[in-house]
Amino acid sequence: DTAVSQTPKYLVTQMGNDKSIKCEQNLGHDTMYWYKQDSKKFLKIMFSYNNKELIINETVPNRFSPKSPDKAHLNLHINSLELGDSAVYFCASSYPAGGLSGANVLTFGAGSRLTVL
Amino acid sequence: AQKITQTQPGMFVQEKEAVTLDCTYDTSDPSYGLFWYKQPSSGEMIFLIYQGSYDQQNATEGRYSLNFQKARKSANLVISASQLGDSAMYFCAMRELNYGGSQGNLIFGKGTKLSVKP
Repeated sequence: DTAVSQTPKYLVTQMGNDKSIKCEQNLGHDTMYWYKQDSKKFLKIMFSYNNKELIINETVPNRFSPKSPDKAHLNLHINSLELGDSAVYFCASSYPAGGLSGANVLTFGAGSRLTVL
Repeated sequence: AQKITQTQPGMFVQEKEAVTLDCTYDTSDPSYGLFWYKQPSSGEMIFLIYQGSYDQQNATEGRYSLNFQKARKSANLVISASQLGDSAMYFCAMRELNYGGSQGNLIFGKGTKLSVKP
C-alpha cells in the first residue's frame, strides 16, 4: 500500500489551462504539505495543512489554491498555468513526534511532474 | 541568507569507500531538527537520518551517520562502504521548532549529486 499517493504522476498541458493534482495519505498523519522542485532540483515549501487547517502559506501566486477536504487529502489546484509552473510537485505528510527538536519525518509522495507548453 | 548550505554540487566516490557530504545550517533557534533525504534518479524522496539539536550523540542508521558539530553548525552525512545504489541526489534539511512548531516545514539545501564508481 502506497503511504502517500499523488495523481497524476505526469501532467502535460497548455499555458492558460487549469489543472489539479491530488494527494492522499493512509498513514494517519495530521499534517500535509506541498513542495515544488524546480529544474535545478531545489525543493521549496508551498503550503502546509494541519487537520484541514492551513498553517503555512509561502509566497505562492494566488493561482495556486490548496484544498484539504479531510486530514488524509490535500489537493493542489492551479489556475491559468504559466510556463514557469513547470516543475515536480511533491506532496508529503508528517505526524507530530513530540520532543524539543521537531523530529517529524516527512513522508513524500512520488511526485507529479507538470509540464506547461 | 541561506538557511541550509550544501557546497558540493557533485561528488564521486569509489564503490566500497566512505564518503562525506557536507551541510552547514544557519539558525538562531535553539530547537531544531536536521534531516537527510536521498533522491534517486527515479525521483522519490527517501528519508535517511535525523539529528535533533539537543541530541548528545551523533545519529546513525545502518551505513549512514550524521557528523553533528553544533558549534560549527554543520551536519555532514557520512556514508560508509558506498554501493552503486547510493548514486543519487542527497538533500540536507532543517526544521526550526520555534517557526511553525513541530509541524513546521523542512527547509532544504540545494542538494549534492553523488556518483558511485564501480
